[in-house]
Order: sequence, then C-alpha cells, then structure tokens
Amino acid sequence: DIQMTQSPSSLSASVGDRVTITCRPSQSISNYVNWYHQKPGKAPKLLIYAASTLQKGVPSRFSGSTSGTDFTLTISSLQPEDFATYYCQQSYIYPWTFGQGTKVDIK
Amino acid sequence: EVQLVESGGGLVQTGGSLRLSCAASGFTFSAYWMNWVRQAPGKGPECVSRIDSDGSSTNYVDSVKGRFTISRDNAKNTLSLQMNSLRVEDTAVYYCVRGSAIQKNSNDYWGQGTLVTVSS
Repeated sequence: DIQMTQSPSSLSASVGDRVTITCRPSQSISNYVNWYHQKPGKAPKLLIYAASTLQKGVPSRFSGSTSGTDFTLTISSLQPEDFATYYCQQSYIYPWTFGQGTKVDIK
Repeated sequence: EVQLVESGGGLVQTGGSLRLSCAASGFTFSAYWMNWVRQAPGKGPECVSRIDSDGSSTNYVDSVKGRFTISRDNAKNTLSLQMNSLRVEDTAVYYCVRGSAIQKNSNDYWGQGTLVTVSS
C-alpha cells in the first residue's frame, strides 16, 4: 500500500495565523491527493481534491499545492472553525490511504 | 441534498457477523462508486472496500479480504457491507462514502457513521 507521511502531527496556532501541512507519498501518485478536515464526533469533510482544486463551498482561505514530491495544504488566515484534525489522502492506487493526521489547536 | 445514512452497527463477539447498510438519497446512486471507510478510536480513517457503479467490480483492503463483502442495490439506492469472522481490530466507526471519479476518486460525501464494537 502507498504510505502517506504527513507532518507535523500537531501544531498550535492563533486565529489569523498562516498554517501549512505537508504530505509525502511513498511513491509517485500524480496529483491524486485530497485533503480533509475532521471535527470531534463528525465525519471527515473534503476540502481539496486533485492536489489543488477547492471543493465547492469550501472557503478560499484553504489552498493546496505541489512542490516536487510533496503536497501541501495551506490555510492563509486561520479561523475559529478551522481548529480540527487534517488528513491527506492518496486516491491513485487502491486502497486509498490517509496520512496520520495533523491536529490543529488553539495556541 | 446528498444524504447517506448508515445502520446496522452494534456490539458483537469475536468471530461473529454484522451487516451494515447505507441508504442513499439526493443523487443518482447508480452513477457513482461507493465506499466503506472505517475509523478506529483515536486513529485516522482507513478505506475498507469500494464497489463500482453497477456492482461488477469490487476492491478490499488486505485485512478484510475473505471476511467482508460489499454489495449494492441500485433499485433501492442502498449499499451494504457483510462482515463475517469479526476481530477485535475491526472495532471502528464505519462510514458510507461516495466516490467521485471525476474528482480524482475523492470522497466527497460521507454519512454520519455507525459504530461497530467487537469484544473478546
């Protein structure tokens, strides 16, 4: 299975901060990378698909990018509702696999 | 509005069986791949199984092959997961999830989940 190495595992940030989360796949996956966030007791919610395309209805402060073999999720200005756990996922070869998660909490 | 509603979870002993169901509405069910994704307590999500739009092709994660069977009824807009020979490590919230082939296979809609607890 493809491994997705996600970093950091957790971070503390303040409202208005710029936040960056990175994922590195264990093999080439083209741009088949998706990003989700999850709040306690809720299902994950799709934010970005195909590495950089914003899912309909998701605020534009979320963005995705690629640099070499790494994929990055950026939140340009953290809002109170963004405190959650974030996951990357590869959807290139089944089983789709997720990163270990990044918990974003309040500094 | 897309809705996915799971049912069938519960407490079962090691070696037992459960059948999960998912009722889909708000979209053309027969046009989409569907998935089961589980999440063990305190862990990240894990894709368990997927089925293509007409039910002719299925895939499973290695840990459930030979024990779980995914199926669908497009006439009734329902997705199922038959789980046999359950193990303690199958304990998780199981989500019914829509797959979007045109969006690079991303999982764009999720149900609220149903909890499966396997006890020894």
